[in-house]
Amino acid sequence: GAVVSQHPSRVICKSGTSVKIECRSLDFQATTMFWYRQFPKQSLMLMATSNEGSKATYEQGVEKDKFLINHASLTLSTLTVTSAHPEDSSFYICSARDPGRSSYEQYFGPGTRLTVT
Amino acid sequence: LAKTTQPISMDSYEGQEVNITCSHNNIATNDYITWYQQFPSQGPRFIIQGYKTKVTNEVASLFIPADRKSSTLSLPRVSLSDTAVYYCLEVGTGFQKLVFGTGTRLLVSP
Repeated sequence: GAVVSQHPSRVICKSGTSVKIECRSLDFQATTMFWYRQFPKQSLMLMATSNEGSKATYEQGVEKDKFLINHASLTLSTLTVTSAHPEDSSFYICSARDPGRSSYEQYFGPGTRLTVT
Repeated sequence: LAKTTQPISMDSYEGQEVNITCSHNNIATNDYITWYQQFPSQGPRFIIQGYKTKVTNEVASLFIPADRKSSTLSLPRVSLSDTAVYYCLEVGTGFQKLVFGTGTRLLVSP
């Protein structure tokens, strides 16, 4: 099946710094990728939809200037958390759909655990 | 805000059939219903998708009644390795809408 990777798997940063998370589709081209956030023992919440070659679409309540998304190629999307604060500590997960399939399946990455101290 | 709710937790024993329900109070006409499994500190993994009636694959069945206000994921004979959190997800046309359910924590005991 299709594989999506994320890097890093875990990151600790100091308050006020920025952190970049990469999401890659390894064996298919993803024109669209999705970024989710998941707090402990809670469900996944969609943050934004990343579109290759165009601006990301952010969900209501998600600050686009704080969570910068870049989808510069058909296999890579990045999420940069700018000026991170402890409340940004969470599990960030990306996913992608394979446009070559008519399925509604998303392929999820393994997630990135962000801890802001 | 869409309300897609699930029971918080369920307990079962190895070999039993488990049915997990999801309430789709705000589902739209063209939305599909998908289900995912998630282990701790991992990304979710796709189980099954459907629109109406019953769908079956090699690992699960999905029942969706005519009014589509609910869906039921059926795991035929669970094993210890099925202990995980299960989520329903409403997917809108063109993936314009992605709403996860609240999640059900399934614990399978020997």
